[in-house]
Parts: sequence; structure tokens; C-alpha cells
Amino acid sequence: ETAVFQTPNYHVTQVGNEVSFNCKQTLGHDTMYWYKQDSKKLLKIMFSYNNKQLIVNETVPRRFSPQSSDKAHLNLRIKSVEPEDSAVYLCASSHRGYEQYFGPGTRLTVL
Amino acid sequence: QQKVQQSPESLTVSEGAMASLNCTFSDGTSDNFRWYRQHSGKGLEMLVSIFSDGEKEEGRFTAHLNRASLHVSLHIREPQPSDSAVYLCAVSMNNYAQGLTFGLGTRVSVFP
Repeated sequence: ETAVFQTPNYHVTQVGNEVSFNCKQTLGHDTMYWYKQDSKKLLKIMFSYNNKQLIVNETVPRRFSPQSSDKAHLNLRIKSVEPEDSAVYLCASSHRGYEQYFGPGTRLTVL
Repeated sequence: QQKVQQSPESLTVSEGAMASLNCTFSDGTSDNFRWYRQHSGKGLEMLVSIFSDGEKEEGRFTAHLNRASLHVSLHIREPQPSDSAVYLCAVSMNNYAQGLTFGLGTRVSVFP
């Protein structure tokens, strides 16, 4: 049963455009995450957000920014996409350090 | 920085035979170790997480952890064709807010 929801499933855009992906969890968790899965299928943490504390992976370019309205939502905005941003973006949530539950992902293609 | 490596890259097994996957990590102080699987085009499904040395079983999936050897394994008992997927090893640091560090995965194919 899906409890972490992501929209859209797919998005195709051109270099330089701005995109925004949505993530919502209905598990009552206190921490949410964004991961990037590249073409080699390697998953890397981008951000985590917990009780208004944002932790950023230092390798993430500044054009990426997370946006949260409440603890159930953590959106991802990419300002001025580049070709290397083509990937699958996975959202996850957890209650503290316990199991992380993942959404189905958003596949981004940058032309 | 934690590094996670998985072997083999791919594994083909017959339905009903045991499948064994390996994962090595570089930092033995990690908090816990998890196995996920990902069916093609889908999200991640949690299989088993283990915190202490020894064994933990969840249904047909058993994880073995040996921190001294920096090794965690996954055994799939009586695999079925529906178990065909990519299996990912993930390591969590003590600060859970830093997220998980993943390996590249093992692609498992189960044939009838």
C-alpha cells in the first residue's frame, strides 16, 4: 500500500527551465528525504528535512532546493535544469531513524 | 565517508534454490543495515533491517551482519520469479538525518 506519494510520474523539459516535484507522506513521519537515482541506478541522498532542520548533501548543486509547507510534504524545485539532472528522483520518509519508506519516483528527462 | 559495495552484480537462480547476496561497507560504526529491492520502474521495497551482529529473518529473507568483517549478506529462501528485481544494500549512519548510503545493487533473475 503506497503511503509516500510523488507527482508527476514523468517530466520532460528543456535545458534552462524550472521544474518542481511534489512529495506527500501519510505515515505521520517526522523526517523526509530526497534521493537522486542516476543512470547507473546509484541512489544518493540529496536532502533531509526534520522539524524544520534541513540537511543538505554538500555535493548537491545550488539550483536544487527543497520546499516544505508542513511535515507531510517535501517538494523539490530545480531552477534552470541541466542535462545531467536527468534521473529518477525518489522521495522517502521515516520516523526518526527507523525504516525509510520510498515513493515510486519521478523520472526527469532534460532535452 | 561510508562506501558500500555489492556483489555479485547480477545473479541468476532457479526457482526454489537459495540466492545469496553480499554487501561490504567501509565504516563499521554505522548504525544499521538494510536491504531493499526495486522492481523495474518501481520504488523501493523494504525487505529487512538489521542492527546487531547475527541474523535477522523476515519471511523468506534473512540478513546476516558481521561488523568486524564489514559485511552484511542477504539470503532469499525459495526464490520465485516475482522476486526478480534489483536488490540494494543500504547503510544508515548514527545521524539518521544524513540519510542512507546505497550500493549499486545486485540484479537477481529467478527462472522457473
